[in-house]
Order: sequence, then structure tokens, then C-alpha cells
Amino acid sequence: GNSVTQMEGPVTLSEEAFLTINCTYTATGYPSLFWYVQYPGEGLQLLLKATKADDKGSNKGFEATYRKETTSFHLEKGSVQVSDSAVYFCALIDFPKLVFGKGMKLTVNP
Amino acid sequence: NAGVTQTPKFQVLKTGQSMTLQCAQDMNHEYMSWYRQDPGMGLRLIHYSVGAGITDQGEVPNGYNVSRSTTEDFPLRLLSAAPSQTSVYFCASSYIASYNEQFFGPGTRLTVL
Repeated sequence: GNSVTQMEGPVTLSEEAFLTINCTYTATGYPSLFWYVQYPGEGLQLLLKATKADDKGSNKGFEATYRKETTSFHLEKGSVQVSDSAVYFCALIDFPKLVFGKGMKLTVNP
Repeated sequence: NAGVTQTPKFQVLKTGQSMTLQCAQDMNHEYMSWYRQDPGMGLRLIHYSVGAGITDQGEVPNGYNVSRSTTEDFPLRLLSAAPSQTSVYFCASSYIASYNEQFFGPGTRLTVL
């Protein structure tokens, strides 16, 4: 079946550091891909998405590009802030469900 | 517009007790679902519904029941709680046509002793 593999961490960075969170997928066809973020004590929020190959999703300074050649959807941010501390989930659609990676906890220190 | 709401936020049960986790949305979404989140396992689908009166099983349905009598509400019932059901439970909803746009509730943290 379809699956998602992502970096699990936890990862600790200093403010203004560069962030990459790797995500690769196994799927039949080319499903829509997502990054969700979970801030402490909250539910999941959609951070960005890409619905077809070569699409780039972006939001709040985060970016990810749908790469069908490498079956990847890596999340990047050029300069992280303390407020980016959260758990990040890579996911794909496999109706009726979202298939999630295991999540990666990011802590950003001032 | 409250979005997706869940109650309670926290609950402690003893083995064998029953309870209902509530989920409501005010966006007129057709699709609603329940996930459980366990450490190191991401989120897994328990049950889902594509409209009032229609429900179906997800990946991990055993020990849980659902019903969908209205578009707004999608309660999750634990008939006889077990320690293995200790988890954080999330409800999510979306329009069927825009399934890409899932909205999640804040979660219920359940502990079964």
C-alpha cells in the first residue's frame, strides 16, 4: 500500500538556521502530497500541499516541491524562528484516508 | 465559525468503561473522520463518514463505533475501554470535492487505566 517515510528527529536548531525535513513516499500513481504542522497542545494544521508533479507548495516561509523522479517532498525553510517549534508530518492522500509519516519534532532555540 | 470542535480535551477511564468522544463541525462538510495518534506511529484512520447516515471502517476500527445522524456531528464511541486505546484522538472534516483541504480538531487525550 501507499506509505510515507520521513525524518523522525527530534531535531533542535538555533533561530535563523536552515531547516530541511526529508520525506519520501511510495504510492500508486501520483497522489496529492501535504505537510501538516502540530503546535504544542493543538491539532494538525495544513502547512502546504502539492497536487501534481513539479508543483511547489509554500506557506509561512516553508517550501516543498513534488519530485516524482525521486518520489520526494522535502520541507525546507531558510531561517527558522522559535515559533516554528512544532511536530511536522508529511502525508499523502489514499482515499478515504490521509497516510501520515511518523512526524518529526522540531525545537528552535533563541 | 468555530471550525472542528472536540470534547472533552482530556479523559481518564478505567478498563471496561464506556464513553463517547464528541466531534462537531459548522462548515457543512460532508466528509468526517476519526484518527488516533500514537507515539512513533503517526496518525491512523479509525472510522470515516461521507455524509449523514453513511459510515465506514478505516485502518484500526476494532473497539470503536460511530454514527452520523447529522451533517454536523460525528461521535466516536468506546464500548469497553482497554489500555491499548490510550491515545490522542483527532476528528477531521472536509468537503468531498476538496478532500485535499482537511480541517482537524484540537484533539482528545484519552488515558485508559
